[in-house]
Amino acid sequence: EAQVTQNPRYLITVTGKKLTVTCSQNMNHEYMSWYRQDPGLGLRQIYYSMNVEVTDKGDVPEGYKVSRKEKRNFPLILESPSPNQTSLYFCASSLNNQPQHFGDGTRLSIL
Amino acid sequence: GENVEQHPSTLSVQEGDSAVIKCTYSDSASNYFPWYKQELGKRPQLIIDIRSNVGEKKDQRIAVTLNKTAKHFSLHITETQPEDSAVYFCAATPNNAGNMLTFGGGTRLMVKP
Repeated sequence: EAQVTQNPRYLITVTGKKLTVTCSQNMNHEYMSWYRQDPGLGLRQIYYSMNVEVTDKGDVPEGYKVSRKEKRNFPLILESPSPNQTSLYFCASSLNNQPQHFGDGTRLSIL
Repeated sequence: GENVEQHPSTLSVQEGDSAVIKCTYSDSASNYFPWYKQELGKRPQLIIDIRSNVGEKKDQRIAVTLNKTAKHFSLHITETQPEDSAVYFCAATPNNAGNMLTFGGGTRLMVKP
Protein backbone atom coordinates (compact mmCIF):
# COMPACT_ATOMS: atom_id res chain seq x y z
CA GLU A 1 0.00 0.00 0.00
CA ALA A 2 1.32 3.42 -1.00
CA GLN A 3 1.77 5.53 2.10
CA VAL A 4 3.68 8.13 4.05
CA THR A 5 4.50 6.91 7.55
CA GLN A 6 5.37 9.17 10.45
CA ASN A 7 6.63 8.15 13.88
CA PRO A 8 5.84 8.76 16.62
CA ARG A 9 2.19 9.75 16.26
CA TYR A 10 2.14 11.40 19.67
CA LEU A 11 4.94 12.67 21.90
CA ILE A 12 5.05 14.64 25.11
CA THR A 13 8.51 15.83 26.06
CA VAL A 14 10.33 18.60 27.90
CA THR A 15 12.12 21.73 26.78
CA GLY A 16 15.63 21.15 25.52
CA LYS A 17 15.47 17.39 25.04
CA LYS A 18 16.45 16.58 21.45
CA LEU A 19 13.88 14.66 19.45
CA THR A 20 13.48 13.27 15.97
CA VAL A 21 10.26 12.63 14.08
CA THR A 22 10.75 10.13 11.29
CA CYS A 23 9.02 10.16 7.92
CA SER A 24 9.20 7.40 5.36
CA GLN A 25 7.47 6.96 2.01
CA ASN A 26 7.30 3.86 -0.17
CA MET A 27 6.31 5.53 -3.45
CA ASN A 28 9.78 6.47 -4.71
CA HIS A 29 8.82 10.15 -4.54
CA GLU A 30 11.52 12.74 -5.18
CA TYR A 31 9.86 15.51 -3.22
CA MET A 32 9.30 15.45 0.55
CA SER A 33 8.23 18.18 2.92
CA TRP A 34 7.43 18.95 6.54
CA TYR A 35 4.58 21.18 7.70
CA ARG A 36 3.31 22.31 11.05
CA GLN A 37 -0.36 22.93 11.62
CA ASP A 38 -1.56 25.45 14.19
CA PRO A 39 -5.13 26.69 14.75
CA GLY A 40 -6.05 29.52 12.38
CA LEU A 41 -2.69 29.40 10.60
CA GLY A 42 -3.27 26.49 8.27
CA LEU A 43 -0.28 24.40 7.29
CA ARG A 44 3.07 26.16 7.19
CA GLN A 45 6.04 24.61 5.48
CA ILE A 46 9.11 24.02 7.63
CA TYR A 47 11.57 22.38 5.22
CA TYR A 48 11.38 20.58 1.93
CA SER A 49 13.61 18.35 -0.16
CA MET A 50 13.62 18.02 -3.93
CA ASN A 51 15.77 14.87 -3.86
CA VAL A 52 18.50 13.05 -1.96
CA GLU A 53 20.96 15.46 -0.31
CA VAL A 54 18.91 18.46 -1.50
CA THR A 55 17.04 20.33 1.23
CA ASP A 56 15.76 23.88 1.55
CA LYS A 57 14.03 26.10 4.07
CA GLY A 58 10.32 26.65 3.97
CA ASP A 59 8.43 29.46 5.65
CA VAL A 60 9.13 28.56 9.31
CA PRO A 61 12.49 26.72 9.53
CA GLU A 62 13.80 28.22 12.79
CA GLY A 63 14.48 25.61 15.45
CA TYR A 64 14.31 22.66 13.06
CA LYS A 65 16.75 20.57 11.04
CA VAL A 66 16.21 17.94 8.38
CA SER A 67 18.28 15.48 6.40
CA ARG A 68 17.70 13.50 3.21
CA LYS A 69 20.32 10.77 3.03
CA GLU A 70 17.99 8.28 1.38
CA LYS A 71 15.14 8.89 -1.00
CA ARG A 72 12.51 7.28 1.21
CA ASN A 73 13.34 9.00 4.52
CA PHE A 74 13.10 12.62 5.59
CA PRO A 75 13.46 13.00 9.39
CA LEU A 76 12.63 16.20 11.23
CA ILE A 77 14.99 17.05 14.07
CA LEU A 78 14.36 19.40 16.96
CA GLU A 79 17.77 19.89 18.58
CA SER A 80 16.48 21.89 21.54
CA PRO A 81 12.68 21.88 21.53
CA SER A 82 10.79 24.77 23.06
CA PRO A 83 7.10 25.15 24.01
CA ASN A 84 6.36 27.24 20.90
CA GLN A 85 7.11 24.14 18.84
CA THR A 86 4.11 22.38 20.32
CA SER A 87 2.07 21.63 17.24
CA LEU A 88 0.69 19.05 14.85
CA TYR A 89 3.30 18.07 12.27
CA PHE A 90 2.71 16.54 8.85
CA CYS A 91 5.14 15.02 6.44
CA ALA A 92 4.22 14.92 2.74
CA SER A 93 5.70 13.51 -0.42
CA SER A 94 5.09 13.66 -4.15
CA LEU A 95 6.57 13.06 -7.53
CA ASN A 96 7.71 16.30 -9.10
CA ASN A 97 4.77 18.13 -10.66
CA GLN A 98 2.23 15.95 -8.86
CA PRO A 99 -0.03 16.55 -5.83
CA GLN A 100 1.33 15.86 -2.36
CA HIS A 101 0.39 12.88 -0.20
CA PHE A 102 0.33 13.50 3.54
CA GLY A 103 1.22 11.26 6.45
CA ASP A 104 -1.12 10.78 9.43
CA GLY A 105 0.51 13.50 11.51
CA THR A 106 2.56 13.72 14.70
CA ARG A 107 1.22 15.63 17.66
CA LEU A 108 4.09 17.10 19.69
CA SER A 109 3.67 18.65 23.12
CA ILE A 110 6.72 20.34 24.60
CA LEU A 111 6.44 21.27 28.26
CA GLY B 1 6.75 35.01 -1.36
CA GLU B 2 3.24 33.79 -1.82
CA ASN B 3 0.46 34.75 0.61
CA VAL B 4 -2.89 32.95 0.55
CA GLU B 5 -5.94 34.22 2.40
CA GLN B 6 -9.02 32.09 2.90
CA HIS B 7 -12.58 33.04 3.85
CA PRO B 8 -14.68 32.37 5.77
CA SER B 9 -12.91 30.71 8.66
CA THR B 10 -16.11 28.91 9.64
CA LEU B 11 -19.17 28.09 7.57
CA SER B 12 -22.38 26.44 8.68
CA VAL B 13 -24.93 25.26 6.14
CA GLN B 14 -28.03 23.13 6.13
CA GLU B 15 -27.81 19.72 4.52
CA GLY B 16 -28.63 20.02 0.85
CA ASP B 17 -27.52 23.64 0.57
CA SER B 18 -24.44 24.82 -1.29
CA ALA B 19 -21.20 25.94 0.32
CA VAL B 20 -18.64 28.32 -1.15
CA ILE B 21 -15.14 28.93 0.17
CA LYS B 22 -12.98 31.67 -1.30
CA CYS B 23 -9.23 32.19 -1.46
CA THR B 24 -7.02 34.98 -2.74
CA TYR B 25 -3.33 34.75 -3.55
CA SER B 26 -0.64 37.36 -4.00
CA ASP B 27 1.92 35.87 -6.39
CA SER B 28 0.81 36.28 -10.00
CA ALA B 29 3.28 33.51 -10.92
CA SER B 30 1.22 30.92 -9.02
CA ASN B 31 -0.22 28.39 -11.43
CA TYR B 32 -1.40 25.40 -9.42
CA PHE B 33 -4.22 25.54 -6.86
CA PRO B 34 -5.17 22.41 -4.90
CA TRP B 35 -7.89 22.03 -2.30
CA TYR B 36 -7.51 19.68 0.65
CA LYS B 37 -10.13 18.29 3.01
CA GLN B 38 -9.13 17.42 6.55
CA GLU B 39 -11.50 15.45 8.74
CA LEU B 40 -11.10 15.63 12.48
CA GLY B 41 -7.91 13.94 13.60
CA LYS B 42 -6.92 12.89 10.08
CA ARG B 43 -4.49 13.90 7.38
CA PRO B 44 -5.28 16.48 4.69
CA GLN B 45 -6.49 14.79 1.53
CA LEU B 46 -6.58 16.29 -1.93
CA ILE B 47 -10.14 16.63 -3.20
CA ILE B 48 -9.71 18.73 -6.33
CA ASP B 49 -7.12 20.91 -7.99
CA ILE B 50 -6.93 23.36 -10.84
CA ARG B 51 -4.12 24.66 -12.99
CA SER B 52 -3.88 28.15 -14.37
CA ASN B 53 -4.68 27.18 -17.93
CA VAL B 54 -8.34 26.50 -17.07
CA GLY B 55 -10.99 28.61 -15.38
CA GLU B 56 -13.18 25.90 -13.89
CA LYS B 57 -13.05 22.24 -12.99
CA LYS B 58 -15.81 20.01 -11.71
CA ASP B 59 -15.90 16.61 -10.02
CA GLN B 60 -19.41 15.47 -9.10
CA ARG B 61 -20.63 17.78 -6.33
CA ILE B 62 -17.37 19.70 -6.08
CA ALA B 63 -16.18 22.45 -8.40
CA VAL B 64 -13.36 24.94 -8.34
CA THR B 65 -13.19 28.23 -10.22
CA LEU B 66 -10.14 30.36 -10.88
CA ASN B 67 -9.93 34.05 -11.77
CA LYS B 68 -6.30 34.76 -12.60
CA THR B 69 -6.87 38.45 -13.23
CA ALA B 70 -8.33 38.98 -9.79
CA LYS B 71 -6.04 36.35 -8.25
CA HIS B 72 -8.74 34.44 -6.50
CA PHE B 73 -10.14 30.93 -6.63
CA SER B 74 -13.14 29.31 -5.00
CA LEU B 75 -14.41 25.90 -3.94
CA HIS B 76 -18.08 25.16 -4.51
CA ILE B 77 -19.81 22.18 -2.89
CA THR B 78 -23.39 21.53 -3.97
CA GLU B 79 -26.00 19.37 -2.24
CA THR B 80 -23.95 19.27 0.94
CA GLN B 81 -24.09 16.19 3.14
CA PRO B 82 -23.09 15.71 6.79
CA GLU B 83 -19.96 13.82 5.68
CA ASP B 84 -18.78 17.01 3.97
CA SER B 85 -18.21 18.46 7.46
CA ALA B 86 -14.46 19.02 7.76
CA VAL B 87 -11.77 21.68 7.53
CA TYR B 88 -10.96 22.70 3.97
CA PHE B 89 -7.66 24.24 2.93
CA CYS B 90 -6.81 26.02 -0.27
CA ALA B 91 -3.24 26.32 -1.45
CA ALA B 92 -1.18 27.88 -4.22
CA THR B 93 2.22 27.29 -5.74
CA PRO B 94 4.15 28.99 -8.53
CA ASN B 95 5.91 25.96 -9.92
CA ASN B 96 3.00 24.16 -11.58
CA ALA B 97 3.25 21.30 -9.14
CA GLY B 98 2.12 20.07 -5.76
CA ASN B 99 5.45 21.16 -4.34
CA MET B 100 6.21 24.22 -2.24
CA LEU B 101 2.60 24.90 -1.39
CA THR B 102 1.44 27.96 0.53
CA PHE B 103 -1.79 27.18 2.38
CA GLY B 104 -4.69 29.34 3.41
CA GLY B 105 -5.76 29.36 7.05
CA GLY B 106 -8.56 26.85 6.56
CA THR B 107 -12.36 26.87 6.66
CA ARG B 108 -14.30 24.75 9.09
CA LEU B 109 -17.44 23.60 7.28
CA MET B 110 -20.32 22.27 9.35
CA VAL B 111 -23.24 20.67 7.55
CA LYS B 112 -26.29 20.41 9.76
CA PRO B 113 -28.64 17.50 9.09
